[in-house]
Amino acid sequence: QQQVKQSPQSLIVQKGGISIINCAYENTAFDYFPWYQQFPGKGPALLIAIRPDVSEKKEGRFTISFNKSAKQFSLHIMDSQPGDSATYFCAATGGDNAGNNRKLIWGLGTSLAVNP
Amino acid sequence: NAGVTQTPKFQVLKTGQSMTLQCAQDMNHEYMSWYRQDPGMGLRLIHYSVGAGITDQGEVPNGYNVSRSTTEDFPLRLLSAAPSQTSVYFCASKTSGVTDTQYFGPGTRLTVL
Repeated sequence: QQQVKQSPQSLIVQKGGISIINCAYENTAFDYFPWYQQFPGKGPALLIAIRPDVSEKKEGRFTISFNKSAKQFSLHIMDSQPGDSATYFCAATGGDNAGNNRKLIWGLGTSLAVNP
Repeated sequence: NAGVTQTPKFQVLKTGQSMTLQCAQDMNHEYMSWYRQDPGMGLRLIHYSVGAGITDQGEVPNGYNVSRSTTEDFPLRLLSAAPSQTSVYFCASKTSGVTDTQYFGPGTRLTVL
């Protein structure tokens, strides 16, 4: 049973446009929601993360919007650049994943291509 | 700091062969894990460890063994490789507790013929 559902599976955006990737979760006890970025041939790397006590977090061109009541969170990439072309994964943890056992529950990923 | 290192980067095996994928980290992280990544299936947890001498199964553990004799190393063993184990394997580490940032290695691309 997939606890974090990510959409779309793939996304094509023109340079300068806004890329939006959405995730929905089921477990209301989740307390940490990161986004990871993965370039081809590399391992994923943390991009930005949010905790549910805030509705938005912004780091440069990357923003997480968090809607606790809808159990949804999204990644917005403003002024998208060809260098942003990568696979993006959302994830969540908390609840039953307590203490040293905090495992990330992953979305299936979104392949983003930014056309020049 | 080298971070998380993995060897080899590429490997081709024949069905039934065994091998060990190596993973090491120099950040003194207690938590280490192995994932496999397949197209359209995201990252699936194979095994993880919360400290030396302690390991546990993830969601896809069958066909894989792990051990954790030191904090730094967390090897993944394939006892009898099968074509279904063709995948890209990632090792990751993080500090235990509420700090959830996982640091990933560069991956091992494994092909089983």
